[in-house]
Amino acid sequence: GQNIDQPTEMTATEGAIVQINCTYQTSGFNGLFWYQQHAGEAPTFLSYNVLDGLEEKGRFSSFLSRSKGYSYLLLKELQMKDSASYLCAVRDSDTGRRALTFGSGTRLQVQP
Amino acid sequence: DTEVTQTPKHLVMGMTNKKSLKCEQHMGHRAMYWYKQKAKKPPELMFVYSYEKLSINESVPSRFSPECPNSSLLNLHLHALQPEDSALYLCASSQGVSGRGYEQYFGPGTRLTVT
Repeated sequence: GQNIDQPTEMTATEGAIVQINCTYQTSGFNGLFWYQQHAGEAPTFLSYNVLDGLEEKGRFSSFLSRSKGYSYLLLKELQMKDSASYLCAVRDSDTGRRALTFGSGTRLQVQP
Repeated sequence: DTEVTQTPKHLVMGMTNKKSLKCEQHMGHRAMYWYKQKAKKPPELMFVYSYEKLSINESVPSRFSPECPNSSLLNLHLHALQPEDSALYLCASSQGVSGRGYEQYFGPGTRLTVT
């Protein structure tokens, strides 16, 4: 089984940096994904980590520590359009099951 | 082309109706997925098809019946649904089901209302 925890809501200011944390407990681990979802829209892929360390992609970075069951998504130079839900998802490798399980998501509100 | 398309965008159906949701991708992906998402909740996995074969069924009631006619198409047949089945139904695809970078691309979803 899997247990994924994220903060429910966060607020940040335009131009600032925000870090969204995700902790997970899985019986098998085969990668962690971050998705962005605007209200009423489909999730869009942001980043993927399977090894420890930082992956950087423009204004977005994602970090993974497998030993701690911990990841974070870092958003820099926040823009108003970054207001959305951010979903942490884990792919497990247990018994051939390689589908994603999503955390409940973190609703980020960017203020002027 | 990184697009997954879904039809219809909205669907209202009665509890005795039979309807189908359709999903299509032309990215050559060999894995396709159905998720159900209720308001302010994360997507919940329903089914996974890998190389056109059903590989995961997350104990979904039989009133939901998936079908994968070919590698580009995925259908979800609906029959005798309940009002609590009202949700956003998301289709996704990926190159495979494991390995580095096999991120899932989501379609825009079908908003289903059961009356």
